[in-house]
Amino acid sequence: GDSVTQMEGPVTLSEEAFLTINCTYTATGYPSLFWYVQYPGEGLQLLLKATKADDKGSNKGFEATYRKETTSFHLEKGSVQVSDSAVYFCALSEGFQKLVFGTGTRLLVSP
Amino acid sequence: DTGVSQNPRHKITKRGQNVTFRCDPISEHNRLYWYRQTLGQGPEFLTYFQNEAQLEKSRLLSDRFSAERPKGSFSTLEIQRTEQGDSAMYLCASSFDRDEYYEQYFGPGTRLTVT
Repeated sequence: GDSVTQMEGPVTLSEEAFLTINCTYTATGYPSLFWYVQYPGEGLQLLLKATKADDKGSNKGFEATYRKETTSFHLEKGSVQVSDSAVYFCALSEGFQKLVFGTGTRLLVSP
Repeated sequence: DTGVSQNPRHKITKRGQNVTFRCDPISEHNRLYWYRQTLGQGPEFLTYFQNEAQLEKSRLLSDRFSAERPKGSFSTLEIQRTEQGDSAMYLCASSFDRDEYYEQYFGPGTRLTVT
């Protein structure tokens, strides 16, 4: 079945550092890809999405590019802030139905 | 609209008891999903509805679990004869199938603790 693998955390960075969180997927078809974020004490929020190969999703300074050849959707940000501290989940969906999530990566940003 | 709401936010129950959770989706959203999230894991799909029809159920949804969505509005998830392994966060999400990307909006979750 479909699955998502993301790098284990926590990822600990200083403010203004560059962030990469790796995500790879396995799917039988041609899925849409998502990054969701969960801030402390809050529900899951969609951060960005991409629906076809080479699409780049972006939001709040975060970016991820749909790479079909490497089945990857890595999350990047050029300069993280303390307020970015959260758990980040990579997910896929085939046919815009159920979401299949990775295990999540906790990001801790220190001043 | 205040988003997806879930009640209760926390539930502590003894093993063997039945529990019921409620989810109120964003109005006009016709799709409703239930997920379960255990500590340190990502959410896992349980079931989803389009309007009042339950279209898919995961194998995770044992016979002790039942979900309903009468009249295609709110939904309930009932767990009968709870077990300690049922302790988790139960998440509800809704979406509108006329949105271009069917974005799912999540509620805050109901945390279940089975003692």
